[in-house]
Amino acid sequence: SQQGEEDPQALSIQEGENATMNCSYKTSINNLQWYRQNSGRGLVHLILIRSNEREKHSGRLRVTLDTSKKSSSLLITASRAADTASYFCATVALSGGGADGLTFGKGTHLIIQP
Amino acid sequence: NAGVTQTPKFRVLKTGQSMTLLCAQDMNHEYMYWYRQDPGMGLRLIHYSVGEGTTAKGEVPDGYNVSRLKKQNFLLGLESAAPSQTSVYFCASSQHRSHQPQHFGDGTRLSIL
Repeated sequence: SQQGEEDPQALSIQEGENATMNCSYKTSINNLQWYRQNSGRGLVHLILIRSNEREKHSGRLRVTLDTSKKSSSLLITASRAADTASYFCATVALSGGGADGLTFGKGTHLIIQP
Repeated sequence: NAGVTQTPKFRVLKTGQSMTLLCAQDMNHEYMYWYRQDPGMGLRLIHYSVGEGTTAKGEVPDGYNVSRLKKQNFLLGLESAAPSQTSVYFCASSQHRSHQPQHFGDGTRLSIL
């Protein structure tokens, strides 16, 4: 079953603008991760935020986590054409504790118009 | 440093044929995973391994088998391919548990006719 749901499914913005994607999930988590997938390629890890963190930055990326609402957002500032990709949130469930793998959402397809 | 390498990159099979997808990682990671990605479905975990000689079922294991005879390799087998297994298959690895970032290969695109 899909744990995360990204919103919107698709987003098209002008280069230089900021892009915001949201992710909602269902169960308690250990951490939440964001990945990028360029067309025809594998996923690349962007950032990991733990359940006891509320905000994290990495370069032009800003991630927030609200565990009370079971939601996260990814903000990409000053977008570039190279940011065109699909973005996925993935969660690690709090229960189990084993290497059950990540549970992915369906992704947001981001297009940066030059 | 190659990271995670998947072979083959593309394959077309007929229903009922068998094949093995190979995943190799050179990062000395303990954990390895196989996912499938279908349009509109995101990635779903098929099987995973927490170390050499171990395997475990994920969310969608039916119709697949795996083996981890060597730490660096994780094989995914389809014994009797079905059209429903048409998908893009991704292998990933992580240093320890899935709490940590995973490193992905570029995928194998498999079509079952």
